[in-house]
Amino acid sequence: GAVVSQHPSRVICKSGTSVKIECRSLDFQATTMFWYRQFPKQSLMLMATSNEGSKATYEQGVEKDKFLINHASLTLSTLTVTSAHPEDSSFYICSARAGGRDTEAFFGQGTRLTVV
Amino acid sequence: EDKVVQSPLSLVVHEGDTVTLNCSYEVTNFRSLLWYKQEKKAPTFLFMLTSSGIEKKSGRLSSILDKKELFSILNITATQTGDSAVYLCAEGGYNTDKLIFGTGTRLQVFP
Repeated sequence: GAVVSQHPSRVICKSGTSVKIECRSLDFQATTMFWYRQFPKQSLMLMATSNEGSKATYEQGVEKDKFLINHASLTLSTLTVTSAHPEDSSFYICSARAGGRDTEAFFGQGTRLTVV
Repeated sequence: EDKVVQSPLSLVVHEGDTVTLNCSYEVTNFRSLLWYKQEKKAPTFLFMLTSSGIEKKSGRLSSILDKKELFSILNITATQTGDSAVYLCAEGGYNTDKLIFGTGTRLQVFP
């Protein structure tokens, strides 16, 4: 199947700093990528849809200014958690579809963010 | 609002048992239902279902969709400890690229 690479896999940062997470589609082009957040023992919560060359579409309740998304090319989307706080500590996962809506979504390895 | 609900939330079985995981959905413009297995990190794809009544199989896993009753089941026969994971189902709509995930079922298989 298609490969989605996410980096870093784990990051620890201090409160108040910003953290950037990268999501790359390695063997296909993805005009759309998705960012999810997952708390322990809970399901994936969609945060935003990242669109290449345009603004991201955020889900209700997700702060646009806090979770900055940039989709600068067909193979790269980035999520920046700005002014991180301990409550932002979570598992962040990106996904992308290699084709249209009839194809499955492939996931990156996820990034475990710990804010201390 | 689109919604996906899975049951049970957790399940503990012994190796060799057969399990059935349930996924019900309430969506407008349903297009597809997907099953994923999540162990420690990112979910891995299992099945995508778009048509009612057609079973998809992969080894000991199988899944079927009922579009009239709005649910899907995932069966695992002769379970093994390696089947221990969270199983997620997700629905995709016609008018959107995004997937809405269910709550997940945590399966634990003991020797």
